[in-house]
Amino acid sequence: EAGVVQSPRYKIIEKKQPVAFWCNPISGHNTLYWYLQNLGQGPELLIRYENEEAVDDSQLPKDRFSAERLKGVDSTLKIQPAELGDSAVYLCASKSGGDTDTQYFGPGTRLTVL
Amino acid sequence: QQQVKQSPQSLIVQKGGISIINCAYENTAFDYFPWYQQFPGKGPALLIAIRPDVSEKKEGRFTISFNKSAKQFSLHIMDSQPGDSATYFCAARGTYKYIFGTGTRLKVLA
Repeated sequence: EAGVVQSPRYKIIEKKQPVAFWCNPISGHNTLYWYLQNLGQGPELLIRYENEEAVDDSQLPKDRFSAERLKGVDSTLKIQPAELGDSAVYLCASKSGGDTDTQYFGPGTRLTVL
Repeated sequence: QQQVKQSPQSLIVQKGGISIINCAYENTAFDYFPWYQQFPGKGPALLIAIRPDVSEKKEGRFTISFNKSAKQFSLHIMDSQPGDSATYFCAARGTYKYIFGTGTRLKVLA
């Protein structure tokens, strides 16, 4: 079974530029998470999807961040415009529905904003 | 109240020794407590997890001890190996949301 796929793995951009990250969850997983991981810190939730619905986006900075999960499968996280402080690893995770506990993480996208 | 406090920040253990990492929480509504292992350049991977109605869970060399009254839980790695060198995160789940600790960087010396 393929794991969570994320691309690109690395991205370097100038500040004020837009950037987008893509995530393909494990097949059949209804729940999808985007996390932000700063260096030396644990992941922090940005947004959680149940199928195509964003059910928790309270931690997403909506002035510059946006996300979508069309058809309840793949998801895209966008930042526009990027700021220096956005440099971090962006992790995607997925989980099957119901009472299943385990979430599976992708390898992440390391973003560097210059 | 949503925080999970993890200690120590870093840990150095000799091969064959016991590694112990501790976490504490405040929110009694948390219902699931996983530990994740993360290697450089990789995403976190579930190592072992426990629910609050159980005081201990063991899987191979990894054991979680859970103290509900003290609101603390810990990871014990027995017979630590150089391959265990990684960053470990505790987490707690409440209302489908996972709160992670700040991580412990473990180095096991050969």
